[in-house]
Amino acid sequence: AQTVTQSQPEMSVQEAETVTLSCTYDTSESDYYLFWYKQPPSRQMILVIRQEAYKQQNATENRFSVNFQKAAKSFSLKISDSQLGDAAMYFCAYRGSNYQLIWGAGTKLIIKP
Amino acid sequence: NAGVTQTPKFQVLKTGQSMTLQCAQDMNHNSMYWYRQDPGMGLRLIYYSASEGTTDKGEVPNGYNVSRLNKREFSLRLESAAPSQTSVYFCASSEGQPRHYGYTFGSGTRLTVV
Repeated sequence: AQTVTQSQPEMSVQEAETVTLSCTYDTSESDYYLFWYKQPPSRQMILVIRQEAYKQQNATENRFSVNFQKAAKSFSLKISDSQLGDAAMYFCAYRGSNYQLIWGAGTKLIIKP
Repeated sequence: NAGVTQTPKFQVLKTGQSMTLQCAQDMNHNSMYWYRQDPGMGLRLIYYSASEGTTDKGEVPNGYNVSRLNKREFSLRLESAAPSQTSVYFCASSEGQPRHYGYTFGSGTRLTVV
């Protein structure tokens, strides 16, 4: 069975600096998708970025980018120029052949002004 | 606005009471899901419906029942609420294909059982 691990329960970063959130996963599949979701205090789950396993190029969305290492089964999220509005829980998720999302436990990101 | 609508947003129940959480999506998605979120545990799947007319158990189905009323609506019922069911509940929907779409979530229901 697939698993997703986020080893950092909490991270903090100074406003305007860069922070990287870690995610590792375990799977025997070769075709899958990986996602990062953001959950601000409003509770709404918001899709931040996605990565297709068969694409070697790392996905980017404005200030958000990933470092996808397929062989190492690692999928980290880099947030550049951190802003106060980035403060939230961040969840890493995996979607394989059964189409269901497998979730990590989340990382709480604190932005220091 | 297109999306997933959950009701109610907050609810307090007494132990043993029953209630139904409602969820509706207007994106014509085939698949719908119910999750619970507890501190430090991420999201755990309660039940899902891959398509209209089908439902399946997820990771933590005990104490819950679901109904896929039609393609738009997927309800979650607690027949006899217990304090262990105090949680935040999320409904989500997705297309079965393609898988890169991810899920669209409702805004959640905070349920407290006393």
